[in-house]
Amino acid sequence: EVQLVETGGGLIQPGGSLRLSCAASGFSVSSNYMSWVRQAPGKGLEWVSIIFTDDSALSADSVKGRFTISRDNSKNMLYLQMNSLRAEDTAVYYCARSPLVQGVIGWFDSWGQGILVTVSS
Amino acid sequence: DIQMTQSPSTLSASVGDRVTITCRASQSVRNYLAWYQQKPGKAPKLLIYKASSLESGVPSRFSGSGSGTEFTLTISSLQPDDFATYYCQHCDGYPWTFGQGTKVEIK
Repeated sequence: EVQLVETGGGLIQPGGSLRLSCAASGFSVSSNYMSWVRQAPGKGLEWVSIIFTDDSALSADSVKGRFTISRDNSKNMLYLQMNSLRAEDTAVYYCARSPLVQGVIGWFDSWGQGILVTVSS
Repeated sequence: DIQMTQSPSTLSASVGDRVTITCRASQSVRNYLAWYQQKPGKAPKLLIYKASSLESGVPSRFSGSGSGTEFTLTISSLQPDDFATYYCQHCDGYPWTFGQGTKVEIK
């Protein structure tokens, strides 16, 4: 069974740093396209970052230069290092998997339960 | 960035109703579009991918159609478990973006 479990959230002051972790089971993160998606309280969904199977990555402009996605294949873990946090980064953060189907990736077929990050003084 | 706009924002319906939600893209996304269902406090659940392909395990009352800039999600006969918020998402180039959501409420 595919499972994703996020940890590492909490309350952090503006300008601070936090690292989110996502433990995967039932599949290998190394051979899948993995993303972070966030949802501000009462708001819609926002794609944040993706890491590809070749270890390259892309991020949304809103987090570029501040957030870094990475993975540890030996631990089957996905990470999101968040630096220079702002109040507008307050959200539930989900890790999610994008399957490769007929040569196309882009939708998320498996999601974690989400972890809340609150940026406030 | 491609903007995704859903309509309506809120929809009131009764069990058994046929429900249609529309998603419009600011430019063509071909058929690279997905639909999700989200219930309060839960992660989104994939319903439809590539505009019209039903995800495994999703009831057949859900269907998707469209291509280019206009897409629809249809629930053929609304069930009590279907009251939730629905999101569309494009994946035709980065950044992937979502619609603002459509809340399906009990009438």
